[in-house]
Formats: sequence, C-alpha cells, structure tokens
Amino acid sequence: EAGVVQSPRYKIIEKKQPVAFWCNPISGHNTLYWYLQNLGQGPELLIRYENEEAVDDSQLPKDRFSAERLKGVDSTLKIQPAELGDSAVYLCASSLNGRAVGTDTQYFGPGTRLTVL
Amino acid sequence: GDSVTQMEGPVTLSEEAFLTINCTYTATGYPSLFWYVQYPGEGLQLLLKATKADDKGSNKGFEATYRKETTSFHLEKGSVQVSDSAVYFCARLSQGGSEKLVFGKGTKLTVNP
Repeated sequence: EAGVVQSPRYKIIEKKQPVAFWCNPISGHNTLYWYLQNLGQGPELLIRYENEEAVDDSQLPKDRFSAERLKGVDSTLKIQPAELGDSAVYLCASSLNGRAVGTDTQYFGPGTRLTVL
Repeated sequence: GDSVTQMEGPVTLSEEAFLTINCTYTATGYPSLFWYVQYPGEGLQLLLKATKADDKGSNKGFEATYRKETTSFHLEKGSVQVSDSAVYFCARLSQGGSEKLVFGKGTKLTVNP
C-alpha cells in the first residue's frame, strides 16, 4: 500500500514569491493534516481536513497561507508571498477517521523542505 | 495547554548499549501517546503507541509504558544498533476533540559501532 505522497521534496525560492505544496493521502483516509516543522523542533499543526472540510485551521497564518482539499482527496498548501521565516519542512499526514475515539494513527509523508532566500 | 517534554539530545551510545529517552506530558485527561521516529532524509514513522494508562507499546525492540501516576511515556530499548540512529519524537493527542498531535522537540540519537 502506498504511503502519503508529497511533492516537491525540496523547493528553493526567493522571498515574496509564491509557492505551493501538494499532498496525496493514503487511499481511503478521510482526515488530512498539514504540519510545519522548524529546524530542531517537533511538527506543529497548521490545518486539519475532514474530507473536504477544514475543521481546524486555527494555527494557519491566513494572511499568507491558504489550503484546499478539493473532492476530499488531494490537498494543496500555498504560501503567498513567502517570507524568510517560512523556511521549514512542511509535512502532510493522513488518518483513517480523525473523529474516531482519539486513537487514530496519523501517517506522515516525507515532507517538503522549503528554503526561502 | 497540552504539551510534551522530552529529554534534550543529542544522545550518543555505543552499539548494544541500553537506551532511555524520557518523555512527560501535561496531565489533562488520558490522551493517546505516541513515539515517532525520523530517519535521516525521511518522514516521520510511527514507532509505537499506547491509548490508555498502563498500556505498553512495543515495536522493533523498543518499548514504552503509559504511566498515569508520573504522566510519563519513556522510550526504552535494551540493545541499540547503528541502524537506530535517528531523531525520536514523543507526542500526545490534543484534548478537546481537535485530534491534532502535540510533539516534543525531538531527541537525536547516534549509535556508534
């Protein structure tokens, strides 16, 4: 079974440019997460989707970040415009049913490492 | 709020040494607890989990027991290998139905032959 797929794996851009990351979750997983991982830190949640609905986006900086999950499968995370401080690894994860009893396992993709110059 | 504290690294051991990485969590309710591992150049992989007090999660020789009394979930392995070199993250599910994972800062382990 294929795992969570993310692309690109690496991205280098200049500040003020836009950038987009793509995620394809494990087949059949209803819940999709985007996490931000700064160097030397643990991941922090940016947004969580239940199917196509964003049910927790409280940590997403909405002035420059946006996300979508059309048709409840693939998802795209966008930054426009990018700032130097956005350099980090952006992780996508999926789980079977996030509204289960709290034991649902989240499976992570390899991440996209963004460098903003 | 919800938080996880794990011992700071880096940790350097010789092959076949005993490993302990400490992890404690804030005691709001009884959250599910996890250890994830991140090998160089790869994404996070679930290593083990425990969903209720006194549960023991185990995988690949690693173990961790959910201790409600001490709000801890320490990771242990009796004999580490060079291939165990990685960054280990302790995590808990956040409360209030948000279903987000709250991670510790990670502990880098290097095992030398």
